[in-house]
Amino acid sequence: AQKITQTQPGMFVQEKEAVTLDCTYDTSDPSYGLFWYKQPSSGEMIFLIYQGSYDQQNATEGRYSLNFQKARKSANLVISASQLGDSAMYFCAMREGRKYKLSFGAGTTVTVRA
Amino acid sequence: GAVVSQHPSRVICKSGTSVKIECRSLDFQATTMFWYRQFPKQSLMLMATSNEGSKATYEQGVEKDKFLINHASLTLSTLTVTSAHPEDSSFYICSARDPGQSGQPQHFGDGTRLSIL
Repeated sequence: AQKITQTQPGMFVQEKEAVTLDCTYDTSDPSYGLFWYKQPSSGEMIFLIYQGSYDQQNATEGRYSLNFQKARKSANLVISASQLGDSAMYFCAMREGRKYKLSFGAGTTVTVRA
Repeated sequence: GAVVSQHPSRVICKSGTSVKIECRSLDFQATTMFWYRQFPKQSLMLMATSNEGSKATYEQGVEKDKFLINHASLTLSTLTVTSAHPEDSSFYICSARDPGQSGQPQHFGDGTRLSIL
């Protein structure tokens, strides 16, 4: 079974608008961490935001916020005020328990239009 | 922010050549590093977990003798693709776990594009 599911292969968003990228996860471990990464066409993976399973508040980092709905097992990424430089592939990932390795979703390609 | 350096960024070589890729954590000590392989427009596939001072842990289906991993110090892990063949052509990317940051995220190098002729 897939641990991380990203159902949106690709999305278009108008510059300055907000966009939500969906991510659902599956784990039986009560302790886990959720991460979002950005991969531009140049290939590097950029860490964006982290949410711990026990965190009471949704994580925010600048224009990035994570909409964490624990009961639904979803961890959607919201990018506000999109910029042309936000065009990239975005990956949701999960770490379970005391394991350090990550399970990645299939990714969502975001294209920001001027 | 945490920086991970990966070299070389691109390698083109003949079939049968062995290729070494280096991954360095520049501003933090990394007891655990990871090596991934990524095909175009696909997700990252974990190949192995590199543990400082001990043997790497390989994922199922990854040939240990083909992909040699050494993690001799807290800031350096190397991946050697031995006797590379065209089917080994891919994008290889490493990461290092930052134990000092909330959530201990993995920070990634810029990747290595390997092309075997």
